[in-house]
Amino acid sequence: SAVISQKPSRDICQRGTSLTIQCQVDSQVTMMFWYRQQPGQSLTLIATANQGSEATYESGFVIDKFPISRPNLTFSTLTVSNMSPEDSSIYLCSVGRGQYNEQFFGPGTRLTVL
Amino acid sequence: QKEVEQDPGPLSVPEGAIVSLNCTYSNSAFQYFMWYRQYSRKGPELLMYTYSSGNKEDGRFTAQVDKSSKYISLFIRDSQPSDSATYLCAMSDRAAGNKLTFGGGTRVLVKP
Repeated sequence: SAVISQKPSRDICQRGTSLTIQCQVDSQVTMMFWYRQQPGQSLTLIATANQGSEATYESGFVIDKFPISRPNLTFSTLTVSNMSPEDSSIYLCSVGRGQYNEQFFGPGTRLTVL
Repeated sequence: QKEVEQDPGPLSVPEGAIVSLNCTYSNSAFQYFMWYRQYSRKGPELLMYTYSSGNKEDGRFTAQVDKSSKYISLFIRDSQPSDSATYLCAMSDRAAGNKLTFGGGTRVLVKP
């Protein structure tokens, strides 16, 4: 498995501002992922963050809104830009490991936008 | 239609009963199948993972995959109140970069 931490654990933000979420892993991993989980919903993949290359975004998510950095093999950030109340969600990072690239998740960042 | 369908529940069972969860999917390219448990206000925790068809057992948990029917199941024996959580199935296709596609989750409540 993997030990994954996220900062902040929660935040309340004003619309129009930006928030950067950090994800730290206890060992080097190739693939990191960012997900959004809206209230009462399942997980939706935002993007895949690979070290040394641009993040790959899923349909409906764009780099201007969710810029991602991956400076090394243990760390990544996701920024939620120009926030609106619709961005209120839990944001989760995960890492891929193992024979089947099983994914292990961080505890999540609970974001509320007023 | 969603790629992965999962009954949202809630599924309420008495302590000690068998919990039966399942997902159906439409993409025949899925090769890897996982079950996650998510407690309220926590990140998902990987419970089981399997490749292709067949059964896998780990303690009180048994995962089954039937690729011909595009159907997967998770059984929890001797359920405990601590098993009360949301259970999410997830699937991936190596050719698609092993990205996970999740079901909507089933909320389970085990009553003492």
